[in-house]
Amino acid sequence: AQSVTQPDIHITVSEGASLELRCNYSYGATPYLFWYVQSPGQGLQLLLKYFSGDTLVQGIKGFEAEFKRSQSSFNLRKPSVHWSDAAEYFCAVGAPRAGNMLTFGGGTRLMVKP
Amino acid sequence: DAGVTQSPTHLIKTRGQHVTLRCSPISGHKSVSWYQQVLGQGPQFIFQYYEKEERGRGNFPDRFSARQFPNYSSELNVNALLLGDSALYLCASSTASGATTGELFFGEGSRLTVL
Repeated sequence: AQSVTQPDIHITVSEGASLELRCNYSYGATPYLFWYVQSPGQGLQLLLKYFSGDTLVQGIKGFEAEFKRSQSSFNLRKPSVHWSDAAEYFCAVGAPRAGNMLTFGGGTRLMVKP
Repeated sequence: DAGVTQSPTHLIKTRGQHVTLRCSPISGHKSVSWYQQVLGQGPQFIFQYYEKEERGRGNFPDRFSARQFPNYSSELNVNALLLGDSALYLCASSTASGATTGELFFGEGSRLTVL
């Protein structure tokens, strides 16, 4: 069975500072990996995804993530955080031929200080 | 273009009652999935439907059921409601069948409170 761990429940950063959100997964083969963002009262929006190929993935809103097989990690990064980035971030893992059955982590709530 | 739409947005039920939640996918999307998000947790997969057929089911009791209609809209039904069913129910649509994992487009959810 696959699982996802997001070790940080809450993170606070200052506006303009860099950001890294951690994600560790458990899966027996090469997984499909996703980062979603959820603003209050909103559904989830896909930031980026990794299926194969280049392990550094670029997403929307200036986010990127790096797949590290040796560490079973898929950490999300942004060089300079904006106040509008305050939201909840979810890492998710899927499997080939598993359709839309994603396993989500518990989420990291990001707060941005002015 | 309209995104994924869900109704109702909020509802309150009492234990033992039944609830029906509705979802309209993005035009052209044939796959609909349902997720349950309990407060403070990540979403948990309940069902996927593609072309009116169930393509996946998560670890939920038989009180949960769903169906997809010819126009690809979907309903999620929950019988004999328990307090623990209180959650945000998210619908997601995609172009993916059960054989591939595609990008999911989520609606804003239906928040169910069971008293």
